[in-house]
This record gives sequence, C-alpha cells and structure tokens, in this order.
Amino acid sequence: NAGVTQTPKFQVLKTGQSMTLQCAQDMNHEYMSWYRQDPGMGLRLIHYSVGAGITDQGEVPNGYNVSRSTTEDFPLRLLSAAPSQTSVYFCASSLGGSNQPQHFGDGTRLSIL
Amino acid sequence: ILNVEQSPQSLHVQEGDSTNFTCSFPSSNFYALHWYRWETAKSPEALFVMTLNGDEKKKGRISATLNTKEGYSYLYIKGSQPEDSATYLCAFDTGRRALTFGSGTRLQVQP
Repeated sequence: NAGVTQTPKFQVLKTGQSMTLQCAQDMNHEYMSWYRQDPGMGLRLIHYSVGAGITDQGEVPNGYNVSRSTTEDFPLRLLSAAPSQTSVYFCASSLGGSNQPQHFGDGTRLSIL
Repeated sequence: ILNVEQSPQSLHVQEGDSTNFTCSFPSSNFYALHWYRWETAKSPEALFVMTLNGDEKKKGRISATLNTKEGYSYLYIKGSQPEDSATYLCAFDTGRRALTFGSGTRLQVQP
C-alpha cells in the first residue's frame, strides 16, 4: 500500500529558483492538504483541496501555489524560493468528512540558500 | 488564527510510568479534535478523532478524553514503554477542512 507519496525527499534550492513538490495518494481521498513544519512550531496549513478542481488557502499561503487537476495528485509550487521557506513540507490526505483522520506522506526537507 | 496549546512541551519518564498531557483549544466552533503520534524520522500517524463532549477513546495503553465545553483534551499513556517515545500532536477541527495543530508534546521514555 503506497498511501501518500511525496517527492523529492530532500531538495536544496538557491534563492529565486522555482520548484514543484509532488504529492500523490492512491486511497481515492477527496481531501488533500500541504503543511510546513518549522522548529518549535506545529504543523501549519499552507493550502488545501476538498476535491479535484477546488483549492483554498490555509494559514500560510504566501509564496506557494497549488492546483488539483486529479483526485490523486496535489502538487505544491514555490514560485520564487526564499530562505524563509526552508522547512519540512508534509502532504496529507483524508476521506471527505471533516472528522476523518489525515494520512501523511514522509515529508520533503527543503533548504533554500 | 486559532490558538491550540499543548502542555507540557516535553516530558521525560521512566519505563513503566503512566503519564498524561493536555491539549487546549477554543470552546467555540468545535467540530472535532484529532490526536497524532509522530516518531522521529517518520510521518505523523492518527491516534484518535474525537467529536462528542465526554468522548473517551482507547487504543491499547493509550487513551484520550474530551471536554468541548471547557476546551481541553487529555491523552493518557499507561505503563509507558521506550517505543512510546514520540511527539504527540493534537489538532483542532472546525469542520471547514482546515486543521489547526498544536506544537506538540515530546515524550521520552527511559528504559
């Protein structure tokens, strides 16, 4: 069972570069989300999607774009990387209802120099 | 921005000790409260999703209670084992599909 798959696991970027973090799930989950995790802070929601074609902003959306063209995939794009975006990024998915547990990917550790 | 607080930030216990931690959340707009266990170098795993005031959930030696009126949940671990060492996260759910996580309680169980 693959569950939630994130790629890459590690990435180093230079300031100003762009890149896409990939997230795919094979559980037919409607809801997908992206979080970032910084030292001393909880997981903070960046963007989320309640289904294909629908996305919405979370707590910290600036500097990130998302799209949801299929149920399976939810890529996160960094438009112009900044050192403040150095973080560990987690993708999660869940069934449609709000009281469903989230299933997390293994994370992408991103460093911006 | 919703305020979800967990205490203590970290905890060191001996093997066999029982322990508990707290998650405090807003008492308004409550829909559900999630608990996750997060081991180092792994991804968070769901423990419980609790929706009703007075709810109690149990999984093995781990249990949780919920008080939505006063805005808190307790997580209990009975007879802690070294494999229980992890960070325990709670998350507040308003039903709008966006969870707000606390910063976690880091538990270390010494053999």
